[in-house]
Amino acid sequence: AQSVSQHNHHVILSEAASLELGCNYSYGGTVNLFWYVQYPGQHLQLLLKYFSGDPLVKGIKGFEAEFIKSKFSFNLRKPSVQWSDTAEYFCAVIHGSSNTGKLIFGQGTTLQVKP
Amino acid sequence: EAQVTQNPRYLITVTGKKLTVTCSQNMNHEYMSWYRQDPGLGLRQIYYSMNVEVTDKGDVPEGYKVSRKEKRNFPLILESPSPNQTSLYFCASSFRSPGSSYNEQFFGPGTRLTVL
Repeated sequence: AQSVSQHNHHVILSEAASLELGCNYSYGGTVNLFWYVQYPGQHLQLLLKYFSGDPLVKGIKGFEAEFIKSKFSFNLRKPSVQWSDTAEYFCAVIHGSSNTGKLIFGQGTTLQVKP
Repeated sequence: EAQVTQNPRYLITVTGKKLTVTCSQNMNHEYMSWYRQDPGLGLRQIYYSMNVEVTDKGDVPEGYKVSRKEKRNFPLILESPSPNQTSLYFCASSFRSPGSSYNEQFFGPGTRLTVL
């Protein structure tokens, strides 16, 4: 079955540290890729997305992600995290040929940024 | 403001007492979906709807029902709730550009349900 794996379940960083969260998916065809963020007590918000074109995509709040097709990966990065980045981060995939719009989520990574 | 709304936001109920969680979107999206979020499991799809009167099961549909009589509304119905349905529920909506794949999903604020 198609799946999305996020390798880091809980990450603790100090402010100004660099962040990289791993995401791998198992589907071999065309995919649309997303990173969502969920701040404490809030709903999911889109950070960035990749459909096609430049594999390095920039999102909101200084986040970026790189799609590496050969590695089936879509890792999220931020050069310098802030305390306000404390949240849960979800990687998600829709198959490009999907007729159901089904969004497959990873398990999530909890990021804690210490001031 | 474009948004997905859910009601109620918090609900505590008892086993077997039927309940409905409403979901409404004002973006004229054809696609709507319900997810449940549980620690360590991420979000799992319960049901989805590709348009009015078109619904289908997701990954964890047991114990849930949905209906899509209008484009904007997609209620989630628990006919006989059980404690294993205690969870955080999210409704989402999306659209598909002509000749293209589905775009990102827009999520509601969530409904935290506790079944005693």
